[in-house]
Amino acid sequence: EAQVTQNPRYLITVTGKKLTVTCSQNMNHEYMSWYRQDPGLGLRQIYYSMNVEVTDKGDVPEGYKVSRKEKRNFPLILESPSPNQTSLYFCASSLLPSSYNEQFFGPGTRLTVL
Amino acid sequence: AQRVTQPEKLLSVFKGAPVELKCNYSYSGSPELFWYVQYSRQRLQLLLRHISRESIKGFTADLNKGETSFHLKKPFAQEEDSAMYYCALSDYSGGGADGLTFGKGTHLIIQP
Repeated sequence: EAQVTQNPRYLITVTGKKLTVTCSQNMNHEYMSWYRQDPGLGLRQIYYSMNVEVTDKGDVPEGYKVSRKEKRNFPLILESPSPNQTSLYFCASSLLPSSYNEQFFGPGTRLTVL
Repeated sequence: AQRVTQPEKLLSVFKGAPVELKCNYSYSGSPELFWYVQYSRQRLQLLLRHISRESIKGFTADLNKGETSFHLKKPFAQEEDSAMYYCALSDYSGGGADGLTFGKGTHLIIQP
């Protein structure tokens, strides 16, 4: 089944404790992206990747890192999480490095930083 | 800078009534417009895109460049249409790799 998976689905952590949210797609997509969803603000892009070893900042990259060592994986790294990073995070992928193509979304990761 | 505006945070209509979710955008280039839907406890998924001119689950949306709008419509609402709807814009400039710019979303509630 073609899909985007994220792990963990739920995470509660404390300020300053490094964490990684994994994202994996099995559709051989080149383009991958991370979004955060906050009430009243909708979805905002954090980082995106056009292909392996090619990443770039989205609208709200502060406090986040990403890597793209393999085509299928695009982990989101919070080196020192803070409470304002409490949010619902979505990973997405699409076939080509342009969101003209449909983006497929993962199920979401709900992160709480205490 | 591109921007997507969904003026209604919440829209409540009765089953069988017509639905229109508003979306306005500002962008100087040639945008591609999409509607995404998120049902309760499910992942975000594409509902339709203007380039396809398709009707999905009875929904249609027409791009009006003069009014810079891409409103989502359905003539007869059903209870299963209750969800969060996001209008999104993409910069398709023949090589751009920008992500989608989303509106803040409209929560549609269909009352029985």
